[in-house]
Amino acid sequence: DSGVTQTPKHLITATGQRVTLRCSPRSGDLSVYWYQQSLDQGLQFLIQYYNGEERAKGNILERFSAQQFPDLHSELNLSSLELGDSALYFCASSGREATIYFGEGSWLTVV
Amino acid sequence: GIQVEQSPPDLILQEGANSTLRCNFSDSVNNLQWFHQNPWGQLINLFYIPSGTKQNGRLSATTVATERYSLLYISSSQTTDSGVYFCAVSILTGGGNKLTFGTGTQLKVEL
Repeated sequence: DSGVTQTPKHLITATGQRVTLRCSPRSGDLSVYWYQQSLDQGLQFLIQYYNGEERAKGNILERFSAQQFPDLHSELNLSSLELGDSALYFCASSGREATIYFGEGSWLTVV
Repeated sequence: GIQVEQSPPDLILQEGANSTLRCNFSDSVNNLQWFHQNPWGQLINLFYIPSGTKQNGRLSATTVATERYSLLYISSSQTTDSGVYFCAVSILTGGGNKLTFGTGTQLKVEL
């Protein structure tokens, strides 16, 4: 158990819909990261937040947005979903060390 | 961006065999981690090893930062070692820690 908690673990939704993925980082970790893993793109960095502020941005689509709240939990919002958004979405966190710990992921299926 | 190449892409071992997985990266990095993704999709930290050598049980890793490669050694392999092994690197700047993942080595350990 990495200490990073993600919900939901699985969800199935229709094209055009919007979903929210939630993440609680390890206790004390200020950085939260979101990654997408798909068969054709592999593991891709989406975005990093540090203590509520965006710190680094990767290949995140405009239809996707994220935020980190004062209690340090984070949410990833995916809107206008397309079939190609089906993937495993990981949240991760890190503290003072550079080591990044991943949650168990949220499996998203868009039908 | 940084390019990360892993080899071999696939590996089949008999239980008890040893193996070496390689990770080459294109730029100087100050963060390198090895992960194991099990058949259930969980990404498990194995090592944080930007340089030097570390050992943890049957696993050990060596990173030669000046030559831009890292090696993961698995000894006396077990069926539970099956899964995908990822190397991921980043350059830590201004608090940003954007890990770039390799395409992984798919390992299958057979009885």
